[in-house]
Formats: sequence, C-alpha cells, structure tokens
Amino acid sequence: GAVVSQHPSRVICKSGTSVKIECRSLDFQATTMFWYRQFPKQSLMLMATSNEGSKATYEQGVEKDKFLINHASLTLSTLTVTSAHPEDSSFYICTSAGGGYTEAFFGQGTRLTVV
Amino acid sequence: KQEVTQIPAALSVPEGENLVLNCSFTDSAIYNLQWFRQDPGKGLTSLLLIQSSQREQTSGRLNASLDKSSGRSTLYIAASQPGDSATYLCAGFHTNAGKSTFGDGTTLTVKP
Repeated sequence: GAVVSQHPSRVICKSGTSVKIECRSLDFQATTMFWYRQFPKQSLMLMATSNEGSKATYEQGVEKDKFLINHASLTLSTLTVTSAHPEDSSFYICTSAGGGYTEAFFGQGTRLTVV
Repeated sequence: KQEVTQIPAALSVPEGENLVLNCSFTDSAIYNLQWFRQDPGKGLTSLLLIQSSQREQTSGRLNASLDKSSGRSTLYIAASQPGDSATYLCAGFHTNAGKSTFGDGTTLTVKP
C-alpha cells in the first residue's frame, strides 16, 4: 500500500503558541486529505476534509480559524493549531485518498500536549 | 449520518480463547469497512480492509466479515495471545476512499 508520513509524532508546546503538523503522501498524489482528532479514551472524530487547491471543509463544531488546514500540493497537507490551549491536547491523525487507490492511508499520528 | 457502534466496549479473556468483536453501522451505503488496532499512546495499525464487493477478509488468526444488509461486521480472533491486547477500532468509509466514521472501539485484554 501507499505511505503517508506525518510529522512530528510528538510535540509539546506552551499555551498560546501555534503548532504545525505535516502530512505527506510519499508515493501517490493525494487529492483529498482528512484530519481526525482523538481525545483520551475516545474514538477518532473527523475534523475536516481538504482537497488540493481549495478550502477545507470543516465538520460541525470545529473552529476553522483555530485549526488552519492547507493543502497546497498533491503531496502535502498541513494542520496548524493556532493559539493552542491545554484543551487542544489530543492525538491528531491524517489520512489520504486518491492516486487511484480504493482505500485511504493513515499517517502515524501526532500527539500534541499543550502545557 | 453514519453511526458506528462497537460491542463490547471491553473484553478480558484467557490466553488461547477464540473471540468475536462486533461492529454495527446505521447506513448500509457504507463502502469499505476497515478494522484497526491501536496500542496505548500509539497510532493506528490497519488489520483488515473489506472492500465494497467483498464479504470477508482473512489474515493469519484474524477474520473479518461484512454484512451490509444487516449493517454488521465482525472481527474474529483465533487462539488469542497476550500480544493481542489492544483497542480494536472499526471504521466505515462513506465512499471508495473517502471520509470515515469510527466506532468507539473494543479494548481487549488477553491474560496469560
């Protein structure tokens, strides 16, 4: 299967700062990328869908001004958590679709801790 | 809106036992269904993917089935081992590789 690389795997940041998470499709062109969030002891919840070259579509309840998603190329999507607060501490994971594949491929995830 | 439910939420079994994890979904228009394993503090490991035209998939001691008409999928684990201890998640994909809805997971503990 295809490979999706997500970085960083772990990040600790101070409250009020911004954090950028990258998701790269290494061997296929990802026309669509999805960002999920997982709070402790909960399941994954879809945050937003991004298509290359267009604005992301956010799920209900997700603040688009706080979670900035950029999908400027077919191999890279970024999620920036702006003005992070402790309640943003979570596990964030991306998944990519496209390239003729009939399944989605998941990144390794990023564990964000805001102190 | 698709909803995915996993039963039981937690399961503890002695080593060597065969077990079944259940996943039900409300929208039969589901395309792919995928089972994942997640170890504490880690990401997702894909176990089995059942694509739209398929009814089951097997990998080693794992077998997953999909019945769209009843809105159910099961993951069968044969001869369980302590290393199988993890949280198992099922996810229903809405289109061929589109967004997915995850269940809350079943946390499995296999006791030596």
